[in-house]
Amino acid sequence: AQKITQTQPGMFVQEKEAVTLDCTYDTSDQSYGLFWYKQPSSGEMIFLIYQGSYDEQNATEGRYSLNFQKARKSANLVISASQLGDSAMYFCAMRENRGGATNKLIFGTGTLLAVQP
Amino acid sequence: GAVVSQHPSRVICKSGTSVKIECRSLDFQATTMFWYRQFPKQSLMLMATSNEGSKATYEQGVEKDKFLINHASLTLSTLTVTSAHPEDSSFYICSMAGWKLNNEQFFGPGTRLTVL
Repeated sequence: AQKITQTQPGMFVQEKEAVTLDCTYDTSDQSYGLFWYKQPSSGEMIFLIYQGSYDEQNATEGRYSLNFQKARKSANLVISASQLGDSAMYFCAMRENRGGATNKLIFGTGTLLAVQP
Repeated sequence: GAVVSQHPSRVICKSGTSVKIECRSLDFQATTMFWYRQFPKQSLMLMATSNEGSKATYEQGVEKDKFLINHASLTLSTLTVTSAHPEDSSFYICSMAGWKLNNEQFFGPGTRLTVL
């Protein structure tokens, strides 16, 4: 069965510094996708970054990059140059790609990031 | 990307009443919609998956007679919480997906339900 583990319930980071949010996953499938979402206090889920299991390069989107280590089954999110607006809950999620975009997402328990001035 | 709206954003109701939450895609036709529930300080838990024109598939432990899901069209899905009770108070979020959305689900802004 699929499982996503986020071991950091909360993290502090100084403004302008980089921070890494951990995510490990478990699946028996060869084809899957890994996602990171940001959820601010308002509640909406904001898509940050996606990594496919067959992607050879780590995904990057602006200040977000995904450190994908397939052998270790980890997909850590790195946020560079943290900003106060980055303070939010961050969720790692996985989807098996058998059916493409219509397969369900499995979420981790989330990491609450607080950026300090 | 695709835009998804939810209505209402916040609702307070009395115990025993039914509440309907609408989820609409504004600029895309979705083949699949997902409904999630999120309790305070917890993760999103998938309640059900619905495909247009077919019955919803519910996750284990979710009462299908209590949480009625109707995927009426490629742009509209509704979740009705029937005979709501205080323990149903939660944050409900929908998301939509489709073949033209490149490996991505788009989420609605969520509905906060409070049952008194």
